[in-house]
Amino acid sequence: DAKTTQPPSMDCAEGRAANLPCNHSTISGNEYVYWYRQIHSQGPQYIIHGLKNNETNEMASLIITEDRKSSTLILPHATLRDTAVYYCIVRVAEWGANSKLTFGKGITLSVRP
Amino acid sequence: DGGITQSPKYLFRKEGQNVTLSCEQNLNHDAMYWYRQDPGQGLRLIYYSQIVNDFQKGDIAEGYSVSREKKESFPLTVTSAQKNPTAFYLCASSVGTPNEQFFGPGTRLTVL
Repeated sequence: DAKTTQPPSMDCAEGRAANLPCNHSTISGNEYVYWYRQIHSQGPQYIIHGLKNNETNEMASLIITEDRKSSTLILPHATLRDTAVYYCIVRVAEWGANSKLTFGKGITLSVRP
Repeated sequence: DGGITQSPKYLFRKEGQNVTLSCEQNLNHDAMYWYRQDPGQGLRLIYYSQIVNDFQKGDIAEGYSVSREKKESFPLTVTSAQKNPTAFYLCASSVGTPNEQFFGPGTRLTVL
């Protein structure tokens, strides 16, 4: 699996956009970028994933650079409930041992009032 | 409501005892997974199952066992052979191919 690097923490003001960066410089052509988040003492929650095109859903937008070596998760209007640890993961979408989600330490987002 | 349930939320056991953690899903997902999370760390895969009556070891299967007799159930047994069993255990499921995984609320196991 390609490794990802994320800054350990960041904060943003409530109501503003939160832009969470992720570097995955060794990503392979068949590996997707996934984002999950985990609120303290709860199970992780799927947010979004993409291969090379930008993606948007009701929760967030995912911007992947043209060379696919980095991506940004955007929460357009952060709320206090978005305070969580956000994990950026790359993996192939196929069965076998590679189907596992390898969570690193993630980035802790703190949304301030 | 569809979802994944894990019970109990908190579990305490004495050292040397086996303990079984429950995981049930009503999402009609074929695939199920067990992960372990230690404080301040990411998740590590213990076991996964693509289909009923089939399961595969993950990265840290030693000291654990599973069964998959029903599509909706994937119990995890933490045996006395597991050297450091105290952790937060998370169960997940996904549609047949490894798409996004949906997680349960977790069971926090403490071995005294």
